[in-house]
Amino acid sequence: AQKITQTQPGMFVQEKEAVTLDCTYDTSDQSYGLFWYKQPSSGEMIFLIYQGSYDEQNATEGRYSLNFQKARKSANLVISASQLGDSAMYFCAMRGRRDYKLSFGAGTTVTVRA
Amino acid sequence: SQTIHQWPATLVQPVGSPLSLECTVEGTSNPNLYWYRQAAGRGLQLLFYSVGIGQISSEVPQNLSASRPQDRQFILSSKKLLLSDSGFYLCAWSVRSEAFFGQGTRLTVV
Repeated sequence: AQKITQTQPGMFVQEKEAVTLDCTYDTSDQSYGLFWYKQPSSGEMIFLIYQGSYDEQNATEGRYSLNFQKARKSANLVISASQLGDSAMYFCAMRGRRDYKLSFGAGTTVTVRA
Repeated sequence: SQTIHQWPATLVQPVGSPLSLECTVEGTSNPNLYWYRQAAGRGLQLLFYSVGIGQISSEVPQNLSASRPQDRQFILSSKKLLLSDSGFYLCAWSVRSEAFFGQGTRLTVV
């Protein structure tokens, strides 16, 4: 069974600073994919970044980077140079390669302060 | 490019009425398809997922069912809605390193 844990229910960050959102996971699959999403107050789910379990390099997309530590089963999201528009809920998700189930963590609410 | 259509955006239904939410995907073949429900301020609860036509996996036994009559069509249904079925319903598709969501349907059962 898959389990995704996000232990930070809410975080405050100062504008222009970096913030790290924690995500740990548990799976018996050898091959899997990890995703991060942003959900603003409008409700839409915005795909941010993807990391495959066999990818050797940590994924980066603009101001988003994924700190992937496979042995620790950790996939933390780093947002650099925070902007007011980054205020939202952020979800970590995992998809296994055996059954393709896409499961989500509980989410972390980020509030960026001016 | 791939797109996902989910409708309607909002829906108000009386208790005991039927439900049908439809989701269609364009621009990709044989996607994995998902239905989620989200309570206000909470996480996403996986309801159903499908890896192919007619193949449905149910995650939570409840008052809902799902069907996949075509490769890129996923339908969420209920014969009789309950008050507890209220929530934000999201459809998603995934292929390889991509997974995208529809705009969601806010369902209020009154």
